[in-house]
Amino acid sequence: AQSVTQPDIHITVSEGASLELRCNYSYGATPYLFWYVQSPGQGLQLLLKYFSGDTLVQGIKGFEAEFKRSQSSFNLRKPSVHWSDAAEYFCAVALTGTASKLTFGTGTRLQVTL
Amino acid sequence: GAGVSQSPRYKVAKRGQDVALRCDPISGHVSLFWYQQALGQGPEFLTYFQNEAQLDKSGLPSDRFFAERPEGSVSTLKIQRTQQEDSAVYLCASSHPTGSDYGYTFGSGTRLTVV
Repeated sequence: AQSVTQPDIHITVSEGASLELRCNYSYGATPYLFWYVQSPGQGLQLLLKYFSGDTLVQGIKGFEAEFKRSQSSFNLRKPSVHWSDAAEYFCAVALTGTASKLTFGTGTRLQVTL
Repeated sequence: GAGVSQSPRYKVAKRGQDVALRCDPISGHVSLFWYQQALGQGPEFLTYFQNEAQLDKSGLPSDRFFAERPEGSVSTLKIQRTQQEDSAVYLCASSHPTGSDYGYTFGSGTRLTVV
């Protein structure tokens, strides 16, 4: 069964500092990969997704993620964090080739200090 | 509509009460998913519809959970005889699985509290 691991439960960064959120997946093939953000009391907003091709994916709000097949990782990065980025971040995977369910990691809560 | 709409936003139910949660997906989206998100956890898959057909219900935790989408549009998740462990946020997502574009769009969820 596919699984997603987000090893960092909680991360605190200063505003303006760089950010990297880790995500590792376990699956036999390369799945579709996603990063979502969830603000308190809100639904999930898609930041970016990877299906194939260029392994560096650009998303909204200045986020990017890099797919590394050898490490089964899909880490999320942002060069300079803003206070409004404080939220819960979820990595998710889906099977290739079909409209299928997402399997989520447990999430990383980002706190931004001013 | 412009987004996925879920109602009610909040629901408090007494233990043993039946509840019904509604999801109105984006118009034209053939795929609809329900997820359960417990406090401090990631969403977990409950069930999946393609149009009116329920193709996967492997995530439903018990036979007290039932979902339907009779006309291939609006969906209802029903929980019978609610228990405290059912307290969670229930998220609905819809997508239009054409090509390689997994355009999942999530609603804001229904927060269910069983007391």
